[in-house]
Amino acid sequence: GENVEQHPSTLSVQEGDSAVIKCTYSDSASNYFPWYKQELGKRPQLIIDIRSNVGEKKDQRIAVTLNKTAKHFSLHITETQPEDSAVYFCAALSGGGADGLTFGKGTHLIIQP
Amino acid sequence: SAVISQKPSRDICQRGTSLTIQCQVDSQVTMMFWYRQQPGQSLTLIATANQGSEATYESGFVIDKFPISRPNLTFSTLTVSNMSPEDSSIYLCSVAQQGSTGELFFGEGSRLTVL
Repeated sequence: GENVEQHPSTLSVQEGDSAVIKCTYSDSASNYFPWYKQELGKRPQLIIDIRSNVGEKKDQRIAVTLNKTAKHFSLHITETQPEDSAVYFCAALSGGGADGLTFGKGTHLIIQP
Repeated sequence: SAVISQKPSRDICQRGTSLTIQCQVDSQVTMMFWYRQQPGQSLTLIATANQGSEATYESGFVIDKFPISRPNLTFSTLTVSNMSPEDSSIYLCSVAQQGSTGELFFGEGSRLTVL
């Protein structure tokens, strides 16, 4: 089955700086890579995703890049704000969607004022 | 996105008892999944809830411990049987809407504490 590794486990950045979270996956058949944000006590919320037929996707301050050859993808947050503080999970989907998502272990992003 | 309602939102349970969590979606969905999130941990897939047939369980999860029902396209239940303190977790229902290609949305979760 799929295996997703996520780094770092904790990331602290100054407000206004950029944050980058990286993930690798093992199954070359995986074709969908979402990122979820989970605030304390809340459900995971989908913030951005990318499919294997594109290399980059951007939505305002958030971008995701995918390198299929190396089997890794990254989340980039620019101009970080206090409300960006949360746990971020990457995930990968294989099996045509029938198998559910495999999640990374999460990154606790802390935005320092 | 679909509105996903889970209940109970939280419960405190005694060791050895069982609890059933319900997940109701406001629209028909193709896939329904149950995840577990232990304190401070990531999300682990328990099983895929299949309409009208037995659920498909991931390695490490068995039907006797986590029986699942899905009688129709909008409703599913997960039972945590014979609970022990190690079952204290958040259990999350997630769904993929008809016509989507991968996007999963999550319910609010059910936080279980087993004493």
